[in-house]
Amino acid sequence: DIQLTQSPSFLSASVGDRVTITCRASQGIGSYLAWYQQNPGKAPKLLLYAASTLQSGVPSRFSGSGSGAEFTLTISSLQPEDFATYSCQQLSSYPLTFGGGTKVEIK
Amino acid sequence: QVQLQESGPGLVKPSETLSLTCTVSGGSINSYYWSWIRQPPGEGLEWIGYIYSSGSVNYNPSLKSRVTISVDTSKNQFSLRLSSVTTADTAVYYCARRDDTGYYSYWGQGTLVTVSS
Repeated sequence: DIQLTQSPSFLSASVGDRVTITCRASQGIGSYLAWYQQNPGKAPKLLLYAASTLQSGVPSRFSGSGSGAEFTLTISSLQPEDFATYSCQQLSSYPLTFGGGTKVEIK
Repeated sequence: QVQLQESGPGLVKPSETLSLTCTVSGGSINSYYWSWIRQPPGEGLEWIGYIYSSGSVNYNPSLKSRVTISVDTSKNQFSLRLSSVTTADTAVYYCARRDDTGYYSYWGQGTLVTVSS
């Protein structure tokens, strides 16, 4: 199985901050990576796919980069509605796997 | 707009079988991959497996010996059965579908299943 390691697992930030989350794969996955946002008690919401393509309707302050085994999710200016948990997922090979999540909280 | 809705018992006894159904509305169940994904309380997401509308399946090897996913195209539903459950199977279970990009943009709201005697 491909392991995905996210860092940090928790971060505290303020509105307006630039935030970067990293997802490292245990082996190369090309660009077969998705990023999700999840609020408490809700299903994950797809933010980006193919590592850097913004899902329709997602604000442009979200961006993704990377290929191979290292990926980043960046929020350029954190908004109040962005405080949530973010997870990466690889779709390069089965079984599909997810990172452990990064919880973004208000400083 | 495609919508997915999970249904089934919220409480299952240890050693018994967990059974959930996902009802698809707003679109046909044909010609797509339909998945189950779960999330234990406070933990990350775990992909359980998928079924294609034709009936072909792919399961997570970690659960393969206990999992069965089936589809009923006449009812626009697909189902999950997980046998011999333990407390480690307590989780929110989501049904989901990959869209035309190949990524999971359609999710049910999730249903909490607790394994307890």
